[in-house]
Amino acid sequence: EVVMTQSPATLSVSPGERATLSCRASQSVSSNLAWYQQKPGQAPRLLIYGASTRATGIPARFSGSGSGTEFTLTISSLQSEDFAVYYCQQYNNWPPYTFGQGTKLEIK
Amino acid sequence: EVQLVESGGGLVQPGGSLRLSCAASGFTFSSYSMNWVRQAPGKGLEWVSYISSGSSTIYYADSVKGRFTISRDNAKNSLYLQMNSLRAEDTAVYYCARGYGGKAKNWFDPWGQGTLVTVSS
Repeated sequence: EVVMTQSPATLSVSPGERATLSCRASQSVSSNLAWYQQKPGQAPRLLIYGASTRATGIPARFSGSGSGTEFTLTISSLQSEDFAVYYCQQYNNWPPYTFGQGTKLEIK
Repeated sequence: EVQLVESGGGLVQPGGSLRLSCAASGFTFSSYSMNWVRQAPGKGLEWVSYISSGSSTIYYADSVKGRFTISRDNAKNSLYLQMNSLRAEDTAVYYCARGYGGKAKNWFDPWGQGTLVTVSS
């Protein structure tokens, strides 16, 4: 099973600043990595797939990078609606599909 | 609009059973694999089960294997999860999610709004 580890667990950033979230896989997952955003009481929403491709309707301030075992989600200029929990997920070696434990992005 | 709507959650006693449903609309349901993913209160996401578009391939997480059964009815655009021998640790919001991508490399998009299953006496 591929273990996904996200860091930090909580990230405090001011609106308008840049946020950088990390995700590490216990073995290579190539570029088969997705990022999801989840707001309280809502279902997860796909942001990024293929490590770096934005999903339909996702603003350009969201960008993903990385391959192999190290991945990054960057939000270039935080808007109020971006404060949420972010999960990475690998879909290279499955079953099982595995998720990171999440990074909570909070307002500083 | 692509939409997934879950139903069937509720309160059930330990050892009991529950059947979840997921109604799909806005896309050709029979062309896509489907998944169930759950989230315990205050916790992260855990994949539960996968079913291929034609039901020929099914997988389960070890935590539910032998107790849960995934199925689908393409004529009714519906996905199901039969949950038996429920335990307190099965308490979670259960989401259905479409597999998207192709060639066995699928991410999840979209997700339903979820249905809460509470296992308690």
